[in-house]
Amino acid sequence: DTGVSQDPRHKITKRGQNVTFRCDPISEHNRLYWYRQTLGQGPEFLTYFQNEAQLEKSRLLSDRFSAERPKGSFSTLEIQRTEQGDSAMYLCASSWAEGYTFGSGTRLTVV
Amino acid sequence: AQKITQTQPGMFVQEKEAVTLDCTYDTSDQSYGLFWYKQPSSGEMIFLIYQGSYDEQNATEGRYSLNFQKARKSANLVISASQLGDSAMYFCAIEGNTPLVFGKGTRLSVIA
Repeated sequence: DTGVSQDPRHKITKRGQNVTFRCDPISEHNRLYWYRQTLGQGPEFLTYFQNEAQLEKSRLLSDRFSAERPKGSFSTLEIQRTEQGDSAMYLCASSWAEGYTFGSGTRLTVV
Repeated sequence: AQKITQTQPGMFVQEKEAVTLDCTYDTSDQSYGLFWYKQPSSGEMIFLIYQGSYDEQNATEGRYSLNFQKARKSANLVISASQLGDSAMYFCAIEGNTPLVFGKGTRLSVIA
């Protein structure tokens, strides 16, 4: 495994449904980050973990958003009761010292 | 709080020419790092170059160089000998005591 893996690549869901995305970081990276990117904008920071500890979650967009990294390896981002405004690309990145490696993202479309 | 400003929504450059993408930043952190990423239409974020705030030399990586002017709080990306494959969105980002904060990006189009 030489990169950050995100699953699924695309997700279409109906408004009001819950969705969960998974991120598998580079194995030796202890930090993991979630970003959201809407069309025409730069990525917007949501939350991050160092090992299993969530160090910052105040940037999560609402209480409908939550993230976990239970064993300090993969992470999940859950959005409950999705809204059309949640449609975006959700990017995961991992890092060790300097440098962030991003995954290819999960594109969410809420219809 | 940290902020990145990219004032060029779009840029055009002729193939084989050099182009400069502007980036200014604001931070209260004494130690910080500046990054440039490329995002092609496929959506992946590709790391290009990094400059630490205490680095005395401007960073270079192949055809990419970073023109770092600390007093002016600018970190412009220079791409030399542009190629058609350079057409993409380019994002400047800063990391200090908080994770990466990105600008809004510049869309570069390379013309044959």
